Amino acid sequence: DAKTTQPPSMDCAEGRAANLPCNHSTISGNEYVYWYRQIHSQGPQYIIHGLKNNETNEMASLIITEDRKSSTLTLPHATLRDTAVYYCIVRVAGNFNKFYFGSGTKLNVKP
Amino acid sequence: DGGITQSPKYLFRKEGQNVTLSCEQNLNHDAMYWYRQDPGQGLRLIYYSQIVNDFQKGDIAEGYSVSREKKESFPLTVTSAQKNPTAFYLCASSEQGSNQPQHFGDGTRLSIL
Repeated sequence: DAKTTQPPSMDCAEGRAANLPCNHSTISGNEYVYWYRQIHSQGPQYIIHGLKNNETNEMASLIITEDRKSSTLTLPHATLRDTAVYYCIVRVAGNFNKFYFGSGTKLNVKP
Repeated sequence: DGGITQSPKYLFRKEGQNVTLSCEQNLNHDAMYWYRQDPGQGLRLIYYSQIVNDFQKGDIAEGYSVSREKKESFPLTVTSAQKNPTAFYLCASSEQGSNQPQHFGDGTRLSIL
């Protein structure tokens, strides 16, 4: 199963784009990349996921490199409410859903 | 509103006592999960269930038990055998399918008296 590596923390100015990197160099061809975020004392919130193509929704954009060994989550206009821990997860291939949550990146959005 | 409801939000356990955490979902999801989160750490999988009347151990199942008698419900019992139960417990559900994301409840914080 592919594991992920994320920086422990990042800062971003309010109103600017927040770009959160994730390394998943051992990812296999049928494993998806998922992003979640967790605000203190709440459950993780699903943001976006993808396989190989770039994805965009109302919350964020996901860019996966062509070799699929890394990805970047972009919040286009960060607000103070985006301050949270962001988790990059690669789903283990198999007959069941199993997500490995690492320590994530603490994004601090500053005024 | 569709979603996952966990109760109670806070729970206290006495030494030697079993406690049960509730998880209910009205998303019509087949799969349900229980995770444990310790301060400053990621989530660890306790148990998961793909269908009714079936469940599998996760990475840290010792000291915990579950049941899945109904599609909507997946209660977790923290038994007295779990020596370090203080943690934040999260329930999740997902549709079946190889790429479906999990959706989480807001958690139950369990503490020892």
